[in-house]
Amino acid sequence: SQKIEQNSEALNIQEGKTATLTCNYTNYSPAYLQWYRQDPGRGPVFLLLIRENEKEKRKERLKVTFDTTLKQSLFHITASQPADSATYLCALSGGGADGLTFGKGTHLIIQP
Amino acid sequence: DADVTQTPRNRITKTGKRIMLECSQTKGHDRMYWYRQDPGLGLQLIYYSFDVKDINKGEISDGYSVSRQAQAKFSLSLESAIPNQTALYFCATSPGGTGSKQYFGPGTRLTVT
Repeated sequence: SQKIEQNSEALNIQEGKTATLTCNYTNYSPAYLQWYRQDPGRGPVFLLLIRENEKEKRKERLKVTFDTTLKQSLFHITASQPADSATYLCALSGGGADGLTFGKGTHLIIQP
Repeated sequence: DADVTQTPRNRITKTGKRIMLECSQTKGHDRMYWYRQDPGLGLQLIYYSFDVKDINKGEISDGYSVSRQAQAKFSLSLESAIPNQTALYFCATSPGGTGSKQYFGPGTRLTVT
């Protein structure tokens, strides 16, 4: 069956360091992969999209990589700040006519 | 004003009651979605609509129904609420096109007692 895995445990990172979050998937051939940020009690907010033919995408302090051979995406936040503390969701779209399929998210805590 | 609004934001209801959650958007998007989120389970797709005449079931549609009253409005109904429908419900929209990003509303926290 199709499966998306993100670290279920909270990730604690010291302020100023790079935070790296992992999204692994099985039995998918996604055309796209997206990352969202979700704060407690709020709706997810889109951050980045990367296509299957792209290896890397950057936006300010964010970087996403996509390895279709490993079936893995890595999400990096450089020079992390306490304000980056949130839950980060990866979502796969197979290019079909339905909604995104979301991972359960990784809770990131940036400690001052 | 928010692009995607949901009402009510919080609701407590009793088992067996009918309840409607409403979603409105000002983004002019054709596609709208309803998700539910439970702790530890992530977001699950309930229903989605690509236009007013197109309604599709998602992965967990049992016990739910929807109505797309206009391009801007998409309502989710629980015909007879049960306690395991207690969850956070999100509406989302997208402009369409493969892989297009989704814009989420603020959510409705529903408790069924």
